Amino acid sequence: DTAVSQTPKYLVTQMGNDKSIKCEQNLGHDTMYWYKQDSKKFLKIMFSYNNKELIINETVPNRFSPKSPDKAHLNLHINSLELGDSAVYFCASSQDRVAGNTIYFGEGSWLTVV
Amino acid sequence: KNEVEQSPQNLTAQEGEFITINCSYSVGISALHWLQQHPGGGIVSLFMLSSGKKKHGRLIATINIQEKHSSLHITASHPRDSAVYICAVGTSGSRLTFGEGTQLTVNP
Repeated sequence: DTAVSQTPKYLVTQMGNDKSIKCEQNLGHDTMYWYKQDSKKFLKIMFSYNNKELIINETVPNRFSPKSPDKAHLNLHINSLELGDSAVYFCASSQDRVAGNTIYFGEGSWLTVV
Repeated sequence: KNEVEQSPQNLTAQEGEFITINCSYSVGISALHWLQQHPGGGIVSLFMLSSGKKKHGRLIATINIQEKHSSLHITASHPRDSAVYICAVGTSGSRLTFGEGTQLTVNP
């Protein structure tokens, strides 16, 4: 019974394609996140939503667009994929703003752009 | 220079050894998180603390707010503890800033 689930786990696609990664949490949390982990294993915040409202939008190319249809879902759509987009993308959630709450991560989505 | 610095970057220990991983940060924080990333890639939250000390099984986390420093200790280490341990600090709102991680390998 996965708390934060994201699909697909692995994605190999060609440059220029458009792809989406879906994320769902069944914890009843208000806040959801997308993080990117680069080849050096360094994690960086991309987006954060609180109750479907965008609250953090880091310096991420416009090709990346998050969509939150409801507070249990936060999907990531990527247009015109580039080689540099290859990374592991983690979805996460917390009860409220993360600073004082435990954060729960999905299993990660390995994106390879060829 | 990263706002969150971890040391060491890599650590190899023998089973049974006491392990310490350090985290220093340069910003004001609301809370500090210790995360564990398994070899398969999944990330698990170990601790979230804003003061003092927390213990869970063989794991102990401490934080000194004045010195802007936290430590993660593992007692009686075991090969299954082998993982990347990541320190992250919560600053304003929902923002988490991560350290670069410490790769721990515990040999039998």
